[in-house]
Amino acid sequence: NAGVMQNPRHLVRRRGQEARLRCSPMKGHSHVYWYRQLPEEGLKFMVYLQKENIIDESGMPKERFSAEFPKEGPSILRIQQVVRGDSAAYFCASSDEVADTQYFGPGTRLTVL
Amino acid sequence: GQNIDQPTEMTATEGAIVQINCTYQTSGFNGLFWYQQHAGEAPTFLSYNVLDGLEEKGRFSSFLSRSKGYSYLLLKELQMKDSASYLCATPSSGGSYIPTFGRGTSLIVHP
Repeated sequence: NAGVMQNPRHLVRRRGQEARLRCSPMKGHSHVYWYRQLPEEGLKFMVYLQKENIIDESGMPKERFSAEFPKEGPSILRIQQVVRGDSAAYFCASSDEVADTQYFGPGTRLTVL
Repeated sequence: GQNIDQPTEMTATEGAIVQINCTYQTSGFNGLFWYQQHAGEAPTFLSYNVLDGLEEKGRFSSFLSRSKGYSYLLLKELQMKDSASYLCATPSSGGSYIPTFGRGTSLIVHP
């Protein structure tokens, strides 16, 4: 039973480009969460999605960031016009039910030059 | 919302026992999670407590006191590979039950 998959594992972008981060939840999980982690800091919640619905995006920056979890395919976190401050590790997690244990993917490390 | 407080860093000796504390303030309690995160890797689930008391799982145990808003993670027979960050998290009481994570306790195990 494959765990949570994320790709790419490492992503390098120049300022102003777009970054697309993908997450495939654990089989059977329909709840997906995105977190950002800066060096030496804790995990910061960004957005919680179920299939085709954004449930809670209270942690998402108002501009340039968007997320989706289509009926088919992985969840996508999109960052438009990246800036250096977007450099971080982005983790995706999934759970079976909303308050259940979250299982994390290996993360995507975004570096903005 | 939640306020989660845990020590920033701890050191311990291989073979010893270490206790990592976590205090939280929440308007509604929905359990408490502990995760382990090695440098550069994803957090991995260790334990989930929803009732008061101690839950033992091999070398790791987790304790919860809801009345005191307090939990600890106990690691016995420390090994070098236990050097990692330990994250305490508790879901919010709002509709989405999103876990709020503490900043983590960096544990350094030395010979």
